[in-house]
Amino acid sequence: GENVEQHPSTLSVQEGDSAVIKCTYSDSASNYFPWYKQELGKRPQLIIDIRSNVGEKKDQRIAVTLNKTAKHFSLHITETQPEDSAVYFCAASMGGNNRLAFGKGNQVVVIP
Amino acid sequence: EAGVTQFPSHSVIEKGQTVTLRCDPISGHDNLYWYRRVMGKEIKFLLHFVKESKQDESGMPNNRFLAERTGGTYSTLKVQPAELEDSGVYFCASSQRYPLLDEKLFFGSGTQLSVL
Repeated sequence: GENVEQHPSTLSVQEGDSAVIKCTYSDSASNYFPWYKQELGKRPQLIIDIRSNVGEKKDQRIAVTLNKTAKHFSLHITETQPEDSAVYFCAASMGGNNRLAFGKGNQVVVIP
Repeated sequence: EAGVTQFPSHSVIEKGQTVTLRCDPISGHDNLYWYRRVMGKEIKFLLHFVKESKQDESGMPNNRFLAERTGGTYSTLKVQPAELEDSGVYFCASSQRYPLLDEKLFFGSGTQLSVL
């Protein structure tokens, strides 16, 4: 079935520290894993994604790692800033890569 | 370039009433998705259009929900009659092509539906 688990549900970090959010998925056929950031009152926006043929991808302060064997992937935010405060959703492609299954979201709070 | 737009942004209705949500995808995007997020839970897939055709409607909760995409442009999602458990944020998203392995999915701001 389609199942993407995301944890922790809430994460508070001091400004400048790192934040890590982990997700697991159930469908071994999944091969596309995007992360979305939703700021308060705004739409979810894609911040980074990874495909199954790579194990890690970086974009400035954001990185994503993927372990296909274990079926989990993680979002890493370094040197967190107040504007990183948001809900982060992980997702995995399902149904022959025609749709995404999302996790429940993780509320990240960066404390100045 | 205009993004995915949804209307209304908020809707408050009474149980038993009908509500119609609208989504205008990014121009030229053949793929249109409807998702729903009930408070505190995952963003859950409802259905997927490719142009005007329903590619996958496996996520539609029941026959009180009807989605259309006449002409392959904008889409509507009608809930009739609405029940309390239909409350949530309804997101629309679009992508130019599929599968998603090669495409990015762009979301609208959502419609917050409250059924009282």
